[in-house]
Formats: sequence, C-alpha cells, structure tokens
Amino acid sequence: NAGVTQTPKFQVLKTGQSMTLQCAQDMNHNSMYWYRQDPGMGLRLIYYSASEGTTDKGEVPNGYNVSRLNKREFSLRLESAAPSQTSVYFCASSNPGQAVPEAFFGQGTRLTVV
Amino acid sequence: AQSVSQHNHHVILSEAASLELGCNYSYGGTVNLFWYVQYPGQHLQLLLKYFSGDPLVKGIKGFEAEFIKSKFSFNLRKPSVQWSDTAEYFCAVNRPGSARQLTFGSGTQLTVLP
Repeated sequence: NAGVTQTPKFQVLKTGQSMTLQCAQDMNHNSMYWYRQDPGMGLRLIYYSASEGTTDKGEVPNGYNVSRLNKREFSLRLESAAPSQTSVYFCASSNPGQAVPEAFFGQGTRLTVV
Repeated sequence: AQSVSQHNHHVILSEAASLELGCNYSYGGTVNLFWYVQYPGQHLQLLLKYFSGDPLVKGIKGFEAEFIKSKFSFNLRKPSVQWSDTAEYFCAVNRPGSARQLTFGSGTQLTVLP
C-alpha cells in the first residue's frame, strides 16, 4: 500500500519559472491537503480539498493554485516561483468522516527557488 | 481560529533521560489532538491521538500524552528516551468533522545524545 505519493522529491527553480507538484493517494480518502514546512513555523496549510471537485484556501494560499483532478490526485501549481516559496511541501489525505481523522503524509518535496 | 503553541523549540537530552514536551491549544470547543513525529529526512508519522475517553493516551514507541482540558494542554511524555528518538515533534489540533484539517504547532526539535 503506497499511501500518499508526491513527485518530485527535489526541485530547483529560477525565479519566475512555473511548476506543478503532483500528489496521489490510494486510500480512497475524500480530503486532501497541501502544506508547506518552514523552519520554526511548523506546517502551514496552503490549500485543501474537502472532496472531489472542491478546493478551498488555507492559511497561506498566495502564489499557489491547486487542482483536484479526481479523488486520487491533488496537484499544487506555482505559476511564477519566488524565493519566498523555497520550502518543503507536504501533501496529505484523510477521511474527515471518521471519528478521529488521522492525516497521512507524503514524503515531501524540497523546493528551492533561486 | 484555533492555534497551537509549542514552547520548547529545541530540547537536548541524554539517553535514558525523561522527556516532556509541552503543547497548548486555543480553542474552547471539542477538539481532536495529535502528536506527529518527523525523523530526519522523512515524512510526518502519527505518534498518538486523542478524541475522547481516558485523557492519558498511549502511542507507539513508548510515548504517551495527557490531555488536561482545564489547561488546554496535551503534553507528550516518554520515561526514557533513546538516541533513535532524535526527531522533530509536532503537536496538532482539529475540530471534529472539520475538513480544514490540522493546525500545527511550530515543532520541537529533540536531540538525544548517546
């Protein structure tokens, strides 16, 4: 069981370039999330998708867009990368309908914008 | 909006020492509480979770946490740490049924000296 799979694992971008981070889960979860992790700030929610066909902004959505392609896949796009977007990005999924919705995380994407 | 505070940013212990990491949250309603661990270079993994019942929760690898509602706290403990416990520890909270998922604390880096 693969769980949550993210690609790529590492990426270096030049300022102004665009890229899409891919995420897929095989646990039939309804909800998916994108977080960024920065030193001393924990994980902050960028966007989430409560169910297929819906997306909503989280705490730090500026500079990002998302697509919930189907129930399995949730991508994060940086249209014009900036150095402030240098971070580690984690995708997660869960089933909020459960009594205690545990989130499962992918391995992360380490992005550097130069 | 809910928030989570972890006051210890970096804790250094020797092997066999006892561990207690503080976590306080700010939300007056019913919450689910979690501790996640991130080993170097890896993704977040669930250590333990609380949603109701016995306020003393036991997790994996000998960790436990106590929910004290009157103090809005959910501190993580381990009687005797090992070198392999070196990792970053995150406290998180969400509201039952909420699809916005987890709000994380800023994390505590634990270094265990052999």
